[in-house]
Amino acid sequence: QQPVQSPQAVILREGEDAVINCSSSKALYSVHWYRQKHGEAPVFLMILLKGGEQKGHDKISASFNEKKQQSSLYLTASQLSYSGTYFCGTEMGGGSNYKLTFGKGTLLTVNP
Amino acid sequence: KAGVTQTPRYLIKTRGQQVTLSCSPISGHRSVSWYQQTPGQGLQFLFEYFSETQRNKGNFPGRFSGRQFSNSRSEMNVSTLELGDSALYLCASSLVGEAHNEQFFGPGTRLTVL
Repeated sequence: QQPVQSPQAVILREGEDAVINCSSSKALYSVHWYRQKHGEAPVFLMILLKGGEQKGHDKISASFNEKKQQSSLYLTASQLSYSGTYFCGTEMGGGSNYKLTFGKGTLLTVNP
Repeated sequence: KAGVTQTPRYLIKTRGQQVTLSCSPISGHRSVSWYQQTPGQGLQFLFEYFSETQRNKGNFPGRFSGRQFSNSRSEMNVSTLELGDSALYLCASSLVGEAHNEQFFGPGTRLTVL
């Protein structure tokens, strides 16, 4: 079941904040966030695990609401380098049942 | 450490042909996942290999297959190519392929089917 991301696209001015959401209809074990710049490979940002464990870059913050099966990625004081498409990947099984199902992405554009 | 490499980077084939794509994971990584990326569908999971065994498979027809070698390098094969197979094929490696492991993506192979 593909997670649903919102918004589909967002345009910011440098310094503004944004929140990207990821929702699933299934119980999740973990949520992974990646950013892909045009013509490049996706790059890891954050993992949020059931139970509260998080792993990722210090400058990125995110949350995982296990009751609602929702995750949010918070981009604060945006910089031009934040531009790209953000994908959330959801994983339901845990352990060796490792299968990431990605949302369709959120296109973030940061303008000067 | 060298990143994930994929070869070839670009490929043009015609309908009905078959193609083999290669992926070399980061040294020490034992899990390799493959994804198909298209503008309409985004990143779609094809399959995941760990220690030469396919552990998980996405919803793709049997024309899509893969394998992993003892050195963790992986190949995927698409037989009887269709126009709709045109896409960017990404592989990603992770340490042991578990929920707390991040994936490192390769640059992808751009496949065009004519």
